[in-house]
Amino acid sequence: RKEVEQDPGPFNVPEGATVAFNCTYSNSASQSFFWYRQDCRKEPKLLMSVYSSGNEDGRFTAQLNRASQYISLLIRDSKLSDSATYLCVVTMNLPGTYKYIFGTGTRLKVLA
Amino acid sequence: DVKVTQSSRYLVKRTGEKVFLECVQDMDHENMFWYRQDPGLGLRLIYFSYDVKMKEKGDIPEGYSVSREKKERFSLILESASTNQTSMYLCASSLGAGRVSTDTQYFGPGTRLTVL
Repeated sequence: RKEVEQDPGPFNVPEGATVAFNCTYSNSASQSFFWYRQDCRKEPKLLMSVYSSGNEDGRFTAQLNRASQYISLLIRDSKLSDSATYLCVVTMNLPGTYKYIFGTGTRLKVLA
Repeated sequence: DVKVTQSSRYLVKRTGEKVFLECVQDMDHENMFWYRQDPGLGLRLIYFSYDVKMKEKGDIPEGYSVSREKKERFSLILESASTNQTSMYLCASSLGAGRVSTDTQYFGPGTRLTVL
């Protein structure tokens, strides 16, 4: 089983729609959680951190469910500019070291 | 704004050549990372460094080495390039302190390396 799993998509949605992605992680010792956005042929950029209590940033809402070991990203009122690949990132502190683990990404296409 | 720069956006090399990829960050970050990104495989960690002259192997270090002589610069070296090292290489840095970190990573624009 992969340490971090995402549905690769693509999710094709019309402008204005609400879309949600999930990301599951396998290690219950995972510490921190992030969503990154990656545009085609560009580098990943932080979209938002995911806090235990859930957090919102404008049209974007992130949730963490530690019991079921998944995080989610909800995008409301989708814009054409939201088209991108969304990467889930999980971090773990391990004895003597630490690591970031990236999912392979979920591709979103917002259609006019 | 954090700035992470990489020496080349596109690079074409021949099999067997020694290849140097340079990464520089300007925010005095402790931690620096090298990843490669391939379709369907996502980002895979090659090496990381949490301090000057310190380095640790990531998940796929074979065929690569790194150098961190100065805090702001982290170099990835392909000792003898092979065709299976054709990939997008991404450098990242994070604030972090020591070997425990859950900081945000900031990425450079990437180097698309083709090995013929």
